[in-house]
Amino acid sequence: GESVGLHLPTLSVQEGDNSIINCAYSNSASDYFIWYKQESGKGPQFIIDIRSNMDKRQGQRVTVLLNKTVKHLSLQIAATQPGDSAVYFCAEIRIQGAQKLVFGQGTRLTINP
Amino acid sequence: GAGVSQSPSNKVTEKGKDVELRCDPISGHTALYWYRQSLGQGLEFLIYFQGNSAPDKSGLPSDRFSAERTGGSVSTLTIQRTQQEDSAVYLCASSQLAGGFYNEQFFGPGTRLTVL
Repeated sequence: GESVGLHLPTLSVQEGDNSIINCAYSNSASDYFIWYKQESGKGPQFIIDIRSNMDKRQGQRVTVLLNKTVKHLSLQIAATQPGDSAVYFCAEIRIQGAQKLVFGQGTRLTINP
Repeated sequence: GAGVSQSPSNKVTEKGKDVELRCDPISGHTALYWYRQSLGQGLEFLIYFQGNSAPDKSGLPSDRFSAERTGGSVSTLTIQRTQQEDSAVYLCASSQLAGGFYNEQFFGPGTRLTVL
């Protein structure tokens, strides 16, 4: 079936640097794409979403880019901090019906001091 | 305010035993979801409840899995005759589902199930 997946399982960056986490998706019918952050022992926490008719959306220190031509999604985190260390998941959703989230495998981001 | 809570936080059981996992959603949220997160994997949808509508059970992996939601609030996920492959973190999420636009799902901390 269609799925959302991630290119890299792990990523290490120096504190203060910018990080980019990538995601490939295959379902062009998705209405929204969402990034979640999951810290150890906790449930996923919403970071930012982007509607399928947008190319870019910015939040506080985070930017999500959507390239529908190549079905690619990315999360940019600016000026990384130790608290950014976590596993990041991308997910897709269709707003009709149950709005079930379809998650990718996840990327573990480690911020080095 | 209170978020989604789940209990127990950890459950260790023997193969063949039945287990019950509980989820208390955010008050007022009409939609409730169960997801499963296997070791090193992403989350997979299991079941969805919305108000008094029939649940969407399309993600349940076998008939050993069942769930109910009483009074439109608390939900219980039951796994009968547990198998080692059932070992995972079971996550519950709730949202104020309304048609036509995206409704953020808020996740609980999960129940880590280990089947020996």
